[in-house]
Amino acid sequence: AQSVTQLGSHVSVSEGALVLLRCNYSSSVPPYLFWYVQYPNQGLQLLLKYTSAATLVKGINGFEAEFKKSETSFHLTKPSAHMSDAAEYFCAVTGYSSASKIIFGSGTRLSIRP
Amino acid sequence: GAGVSQTPSNKVTEKGKYVELRCDPISGHTALYWYRQSLGQGPEFLIYFQGTGAADDSGLPNDRFFAVRPEGSVSTLKIQRTERGDSAVYLCASSLTLDLTSSTDTQYFGPGTRLTVL
Repeated sequence: AQSVTQLGSHVSVSEGALVLLRCNYSSSVPPYLFWYVQYPNQGLQLLLKYTSAATLVKGINGFEAEFKKSETSFHLTKPSAHMSDAAEYFCAVTGYSSASKIIFGSGTRLSIRP
Repeated sequence: GAGVSQTPSNKVTEKGKYVELRCDPISGHTALYWYRQSLGQGPEFLIYFQGTGAADDSGLPNDRFFAVRPEGSVSTLKIQRTERGDSAVYLCASSLTLDLTSSTDTQYFGPGTRLTVL
């Protein structure tokens, strides 16, 4: 079965600092990978997704993620954190038999220090 | 254009009672998904529909849980004989097609229904 593991349930960075949220996947077949964000009192929304077209994927709000097969990783980064980036971030992968069944990680809460 | 809406936003019930949670997807979206999110966890897949039929219900935890989408639009998640362990936020999402790996399609999530079973 496919799964993702998010390292660190809580990450805190200073405003303007690099954001790095870690995600490792487990898959016996080439995966499709996603990052979602959940702002306080808002619904989940897609940040970006990897669909094998390019290993470096750019998303909304200045975020990007790089697919590294050798490391089975799909870490999310942003060069300079903004206060508005404070939210819960979820890494996700499609299920083995379906492009419609999304398996989510446990999430990482990102806090931004002024 | 309206997004995905869910009602009620909060539901408090007593153990053993029956509850219904409603989801109104984005108009024209073929696929509809239900997830459950417990405190401190990521969303857990329950079921998804293609049109009126349940294409994959492998995530429903047991036969107390049932979902319908009779006209291919609005969906209702039904929970019988609720238990305290059912307390969670129930999320609904919809997408235009079933292929979430497509570069042009994505899931749109509703705000969720927070279910509390006392």
